[in-house]
Formats: sequence, structure tokens, C-alpha cells
Amino acid sequence: KQEVTQIPAALSVPEGENLVLNCSFTDSAIYNLQWFRQDPGKGLTSLLLIQSSQREQTSGRLNASLDKSSGRSTLYIAASQPGDSATYLCAVTFMSSGSARQLTFGSGTQLTVLP
Amino acid sequence: SAVISQKPSRDICQRGTSLTIQCQVDSQVTMMFWYRQQPGQSLTLIATANQGSEATYESGFVIDKFPISRPNLTFSTLTVSNMSPEDSSIYLCSGRQGQNTEAFFGQGTRLTVV
Repeated sequence: KQEVTQIPAALSVPEGENLVLNCSFTDSAIYNLQWFRQDPGKGLTSLLLIQSSQREQTSGRLNASLDKSSGRSTLYIAASQPGDSATYLCAVTFMSSGSARQLTFGSGTQLTVLP
Repeated sequence: SAVISQKPSRDICQRGTSLTIQCQVDSQVTMMFWYRQQPGQSLTLIATANQGSEATYESGFVIDKFPISRPNLTFSTLTVSNMSPEDSSIYLCSGRQGQNTEAFFGQGTRLTVV
């Protein structure tokens, strides 16, 4: 069974700090990995999509890396701001998901950036 | 990516009743999915909504409890039937064009069953 794990479950940092969120997955046969942000009680906002052939993707202060062979991805947030406070979810499309091509989600990291 | 409008955004329902959630995409999309997010948990896939045919349900979810419709490539509904307090969750619809494309989500429906 394919699983996605995120550590830590919660993280609190002072404003301005750089931080790294971790995601691991049990099967390296993937199509891609996607990072999302979720604000309390809200839907998901897509941050970055990394294809299996890529090593990293960047968007503004966000940088996501992918090491498919070791089953790991990291989301790096530079110069964190209070507005970055949210839950960050990692989701993988495994090749064994069949024709459905659905996402398998990690449990998320709840980030709090203190002013 | 495309935009999904999901409604209602929240509802409080009596046990034993049913609620239908709607998702409208602003362009045709190949794949649509319905997820559930229980309090404090991550997302769990309920089913894949298939255009013009019966949805494909994940283990633990059945059509009688969560009937799904997808009459065309831009619209889908999920009904939560005969609700109990255990159904209190956020329900989210999602779309994507293919396995190599970005998945996008509606705003979610926060359901409370009393």
C-alpha cells in the first residue's frame, strides 16, 4: 500500500526564518508530487507540482525538491512571514493508482509563523 | 489551472437527512474526484466521478451512502445520505486533466451533522 508521510506534524518559527518541510513516500514509481497549502476550514491551494523527471521547482519564496529514488521531497520556505501560517500538504500520484490517477495525501504539517 | 466553484461552503444538517454538494468547473476537465477530510485529519479519497457512468468508489465508501453524479465534463455532485454526526467533515471536489497535470480543488464544504 502506498503511503505518504509528513514530518513534523507541527512547526512554529519566528518571522524571517527559513524553514524546511519534509515529505516521504513508500513507492518510488510516481508520476509526480504536489505541494498544497490549506488555511483553516478552507480548500486546498496548489503551490508547486514536481514531475517525476524533475529535481526541483521554484515559485517565489518556495522551493520544492524531489529525490524519487529515496522517496523524499522537501518544501523550502525562505524568509517566512505570518501570512505563511497554514497547513502544508504533500500529495503523490503513484503509478499504481491505475486509471484513476488520484492523489495520495500526507497528514500535513501545521506551520505557525510568529510575528 | 481551471477554477472549481463548490457549494454550499458550509451547512448544518439534522441527522437522517441528505445533503447534495455541487462542483462546477469553468472548463472541461478529464478527471474529477471527491475527498473527505475529517476533523484534524488529512484528505481521503471517496470516489472518482466518471462522466456518464457510475463513480468508482474507494474501499469503505459505498454508492448508497455517497451517490455521485457527473453528467458532463464540467459538473459533478456528491450526496451525503442519511447523515449521522460521524459524517461531519469537510468535503472537497478536485479536478485534473491527466496524471501529469496539476490537481486543483474547490473551496470545500464544511458539513456539521447534529
